[in-house]
This record gives sequence, structure tokens and C-alpha cells, in this order.
Amino acid sequence: SQTIHQWPATLVQPVGSPLSLECTVEGTSNPNLYWYRQAAGRGLQLLFYSVGIGQISSEVPQNLSASRPQDRQFILSSKKLLLSDSGFYLCAWNVDTGELFFGEGSRLTVL
Amino acid sequence: GQNIDQPTEMTATEGAIVQINCTYQTSGFNGLFWYQQHAGEAPTFLSYNVLDGLEEKGRFSSFLSRSKGYSYLLLKELQMKDSASYLCAVNTGGFKTIFGAGTRLFVKA
Repeated sequence: SQTIHQWPATLVQPVGSPLSLECTVEGTSNPNLYWYRQAAGRGLQLLFYSVGIGQISSEVPQNLSASRPQDRQFILSSKKLLLSDSGFYLCAWNVDTGELFFGEGSRLTVL
Repeated sequence: GQNIDQPTEMTATEGAIVQINCTYQTSGFNGLFWYQQHAGEAPTFLSYNVLDGLEEKGRFSSFLSRSKGYSYLLLKELQMKDSASYLCAVNTGGFKTIFGAGTRLFVKA
């Protein structure tokens, strides 16, 4: 069966510090991978998606970046965090245009 | 632009039926999804509609009218564990799925 795991689950970072969130999928090949952000009381905002190794599409201009170094690994990064980067980050996968399967989420607080 | 609207909050009684509405205006349409999200957790898939009509899955049903840009999620025989946020999402084509802000449902005894 397919599983998705992301980490860390919770982190508190100072403004200007770097960020790295990691996500891995098991049990499927060549999945589409996604990073979403959910601000408090708001909907999920699509940040990045990837349809293959090294292929990244950015949806929102920001100080975040994503990378896909392996087929089932997706990484979200920032060189310098802003207060506005606080939120609940969700990694997800699907095949074709089907339903999304989400990781457990990473709650980021920037102080 | 892309817009998905759903009520912010709803309250219903245990054992009752509740209908959560969703209207959308998107540049493309390749299916509508409903997800359930408990506080502090990730969303989980509930239903998918791509053609007009009603899809039933146990206590949950979802309806779609593409001409009206309208969908609803119907929850029957409400249970306390159904207290959660319900997210309406539209695949706008290709690999992009956009989400509404969600409807927080409170089920009271």
C-alpha cells in the first residue's frame, strides 16, 4: 500500500533562518507531488507541484523553493524565513488528476 | 480568476442531516472533490464528482451541477466524530487542484 510521510511535524524558527521540510512517498512510482500551505482559518494554497524528478512548477511567487532529487522525495526550502511563512505545510501525492493523498503536515511558526 | 465559496461554519445535531454547499468559478474544470479535515490533521478524501448528479458513499453523498458551478456534500445520521472542516476542491485542469477555505461543522448532542 502507498504511504506518505513528511517531517518535521512541528518547528519553531526565527525570522531570517533557513527551512527544510522533507516528504517521501512509498509504494508508488512516478507520483505527482505537491506542497500546499494552510494559513490559520484559510484554505489550502498550492505552492509547488512536480510531475517528475527535477521538474518543479511554482504557483505563487515567494521566498520558498522546492526540489525533487529522487522520484519519491520532495523537499521544501527557504534561505530566509519571513513571519508570513508561518502556517501548516502539507505534502501530497496523486496519480493523473485523481484525489490527493496528504502527509501528516508540518506546522511552522516563525517568530 | 479562480474562486471557490463555501459557508464558514455550520452547526447540526447528532443524528440529523446536514448539507454543505459549494459554488465555484474556475478557468477550467476537471472534477470536484470533497475532503474532511479534523483540527490539526491532514485532509482525507471523501468524494469525487466529474459528471452531473449524485454520488453516494455510505452516510456521505455529493452532488454536482456543472452548469451552475455548484456542489453540495450531504452528511446523514450525523455523529459527533463528524465534527470537522469540510473542504471543497476543484481540479482546474492538469495538475492543479484549488481549495475553498473550508466549512467548519460542529455536531452537538
